[in-house]
Amino acid sequence: EAGVAQSPRYKIIEKRQSVAFWCNPISGHATLYWYQQILGQGPKLLIQFQNNGVVDDSQLPKDRFSAERLKGVDSTLKIQPAKLEDSAVYLCASSLDRVGRGTEAFFGQGTRLTVV
Amino acid sequence: GNSVTQMEGPVTLSEEAFLTINCTYTATGYPSLFWYVQYPGEGLQLLLKATKADDKGSNKGFEATYRKETTSFHLEKGSVQVSDSAVYFCALSDQQAGTALIFGKGTTLSVSS
Repeated sequence: EAGVAQSPRYKIIEKRQSVAFWCNPISGHATLYWYQQILGQGPKLLIQFQNNGVVDDSQLPKDRFSAERLKGVDSTLKIQPAKLEDSAVYLCASSLDRVGRGTEAFFGQGTRLTVV
Repeated sequence: GNSVTQMEGPVTLSEEAFLTINCTYTATGYPSLFWYVQYPGEGLQLLLKATKADDKGSNKGFEATYRKETTSFHLEKGSVQVSDSAVYFCALSDQQAGTALIFGKGTTLSVSS
């Protein structure tokens, strides 16, 4: 089965510019997650979708970050405007159901963002 | 709130050595516990999991036991290989709330031949 697809793999932008990341989850997976992984740290949840509804966006910096999941399938994460501290790998993951109920989350390879 | 604490790395071992990576957790509810692994150049992948106290998760020679009394989920392997070199992440998720994974900071393992 195809895995979680993310694009682009790498992106370099200047501070104050905007950027968007795209994620295509595994077919049939209801739950989709965006994580931010800063170098040397573990992934931190930004937002969790269940189908096309938001379950948890408590750690999403809403003044600059936004995310949507159209039709409960693909998702985009946008940063506008970017700051230097946004340099990180942005991971998308999906699961059949919420992972707390024992299902496995599958991760994409991530998008490495460098803000200069 | 819920959190995971892992031992600091890097961990450097010779091939066939015994591995332990410590993981402890804090949870207000009843968590499921996971170990994820990230090989160089690859995405995160599930290594093993346990969903209730005293359960043992195992995969590829790795094991971890869910210890509720010590709030721990230590990862062990009896004989590591060079191919085990990777970053290992301990994680939890609240079962009742169905929350997303909360990760530790990760432990880098380097195995030399």
